[in-house]
Amino acid sequence: GQNIDQPTEMTATEGAIVQINCTYQTSGFNGLFWYQQHAGEAPTFLSYNVLDGLEEKGRFSSFLSRSKGYSYLLLKELQMKDSASYLCAVIYNQGGKLIFGQGTELSVKP
Amino acid sequence: DTEVTQTPKHLVMGMTNKKSLKCEQHMGHRAMYWYKQKAKKPPELMFVYSYEKLSINESVPSRFSPECPNSSLLNLHLHALQPEDSALYLCASSQVPDSYEQYFGPGTRLTVT
Repeated sequence: GQNIDQPTEMTATEGAIVQINCTYQTSGFNGLFWYQQHAGEAPTFLSYNVLDGLEEKGRFSSFLSRSKGYSYLLLKELQMKDSASYLCAVIYNQGGKLIFGQGTELSVKP
Repeated sequence: DTEVTQTPKHLVMGMTNKKSLKCEQHMGHRAMYWYKQKAKKPPELMFVYSYEKLSINESVPSRFSPECPNSSLLNLHLHALQPEDSALYLCASSQVPDSYEQYFGPGTRLTVT
């Protein structure tokens, strides 16, 4: 299987830092994406990792460990508008088959 | 232009109707995708077109029929749908298949009555 696991829900406070974890099956791994999706809207691309390490992009960072089948998305200086679902997605093998995790619903409170 | 457009935004159809969903991108992307998304669930891949050829069909029922007339357009023809097919249908594109970010359109909210 290609189980992609992430927490269902998380709550954090405005201005704080939150880390959303994602684990996946490593066989056939070809890259990992994080998407943000607000209710009723399409997913928007946040980050892409294919090599081990940390990718930083403004307030958002994403980390990958291929040997452990593990990634996290780090959101700093949280804002109310960051309340959304965060989707971890993995491309396996060839052909563009992107498999999504169930998504983590993040609620940012004042 | 980094936009994927989809029409219509909303569609209500009966189980005997035939309708089509349309998707367009002008980014020169050579891979295009259809996804189905139910409420509070992640998108599920339906079809992948690579260089205008169908490369992946995720065992989708034949009442859904994809078509890629050219490198910028992707259609999804619908016929004899069931109420459980009601969902958000998302189109996406990427530069090529494999390891490139996929850009999503806003989706078509489909209701089958």
